Amino acid sequence: DIQMTQSPSTLSASVGDTVTITCRASQSVSTWLAWYQQKPGKAPNLLIYKASTLQSGVPSRFSGSGSGTQFTLTISSLQPDDFATYYCQQYNSYSPWTFGQGTKVEIK
Amino acid sequence: EVQLLESGGGLGQPGGSLRLSCAASGFTFRSYAMSWVRQVPGKGLEWVSGISGSIGSTFYADSVKGRFTISRDNSKNILYLQMNNLRVEDTAIYYCAKDLVMSTRSPNLFDYWGQGTLVTVSS
Repeated sequence: DIQMTQSPSTLSASVGDTVTITCRASQSVSTWLAWYQQKPGKAPNLLIYKASTLQSGVPSRFSGSGSGTQFTLTISSLQPDDFATYYCQQYNSYSPWTFGQGTKVEIK
Repeated sequence: EVQLLESGGGLGQPGGSLRLSCAASGFTFRSYAMSWVRQVPGKGLEWVSGISGSIGSTFYADSVKGRFTISRDNSKNILYLQMNNLRVEDTAIYYCAKDLVMSTRSPNLFDYWGQGTLVTVSS
């Protein structure tokens, strides 16, 4: 299985900050990498796919980059609605499809 | 508007069975792969099983292979997960999820999710 490791596990930030979350794959997934946002009691919401493509309706302050084994999700000018948990997911191959353990973005 | 509505969760006994259903609407169901993803409350996401659209190829996580069976009824727009030989560690919220891309041979990534149904396995 391809293991996905996110860092940090928890991130404390203030409104207006720029934050970066890292996701590392145990082997190359090319750019077959997605990011999701999940708020308490809700289902995940797709933010980015193919490492850097913004899903329709997602604000442009979210951006993704990377390829191979190293990826980042950047949130520019953090808004109150952005405090949530973020997950990466690889879909390079049926390995099976795996998620990172999550990064909680909390208010400082 | 895409809607996914899960049902069938509840309390199951270790070694017992449950069947989850996911009623889909708002899109051409047969054209999209579908998956079940679970989440222990307060923990991370785990992909459980997936099925392609019209061909019906199935895929399973090792943790459920041989115990769970995914299926779909494209005439009724319903996705199923038959869960047999339940274990305590199967306790989780189960989400059904729609693939982003049409007509793929396997699930990939998920643009719509249901609200989830809680499965609790306990004696």
